[in-house]
Amino acid sequence: DSGVTQTPKHLITATGQRVTLRCSPRSGDLSVYWYQQSLDQGLQFLIQYYNGEERAKGNILERFSAQQFPDLHSELNLSSLELGDSALYFCASSVFDRAGGYGYTFGSGTRLTVV
Amino acid sequence: GNSVTQMEGPVTLSEEAFLTINCTYTATGYPSLFWYVQYPGEGLQLLLKATKADDKGSNKGFEATYRKETTSFHLEKGSVQVSDSAVYFCAPGAGSQGNLIFGKGTKLSVKP
Repeated sequence: DSGVTQTPKHLITATGQRVTLRCSPRSGDLSVYWYQQSLDQGLQFLIQYYNGEERAKGNILERFSAQQFPDLHSELNLSSLELGDSALYFCASSVFDRAGGYGYTFGSGTRLTVV
Repeated sequence: GNSVTQMEGPVTLSEEAFLTINCTYTATGYPSLFWYVQYPGEGLQLLLKATKADDKGSNKGFEATYRKETTSFHLEKGSVQVSDSAVYFCAPGAGSQGNLIFGKGTKLSVKP
């Protein structure tokens, strides 16, 4: 157990729907990062939050949004889902606002299947 | 911009063979460097790291040395086991915000 908790582990939904993925960071970590992993695109950085504030943005679609709450858990919202959004979504956390010398701790991921 | 180039897989080896997975990166300054491993059906786990030039990170028989001159961080293991079968990711902390940038990953399969 890495200490980063992601729910749900699996999600199957239809095209056009909206889903919410949840992440609880490791105790003491202030940063949360979201990544999308697909077979053809590898590991794509989506967005980072640090202590409730958006810190960095990567290849995140406009249909996707995220937030980090006062208790530091984060949610990734995916809307108007398309077949191509099917992927593994990972959350990672770190103590500081950057990788520094410690890197990130990853959760076990949410597998999203859009049918 | 900053980037990382990782040896493309898949790599298939016999048990006890020597492993090298190449990784080079471009970055401003001297970022910390990491190797992560992803076992089937799991998330990424930190395998080893190096925080400054000439540092050698090591864990579970794997090693990688921070080479500033060649901006490389190649992963090596002298004798691989079947249990090492996984996807390996090189990740410099070289993003514009100090974020980790991940390579595409190298899938390693070790046959008995």
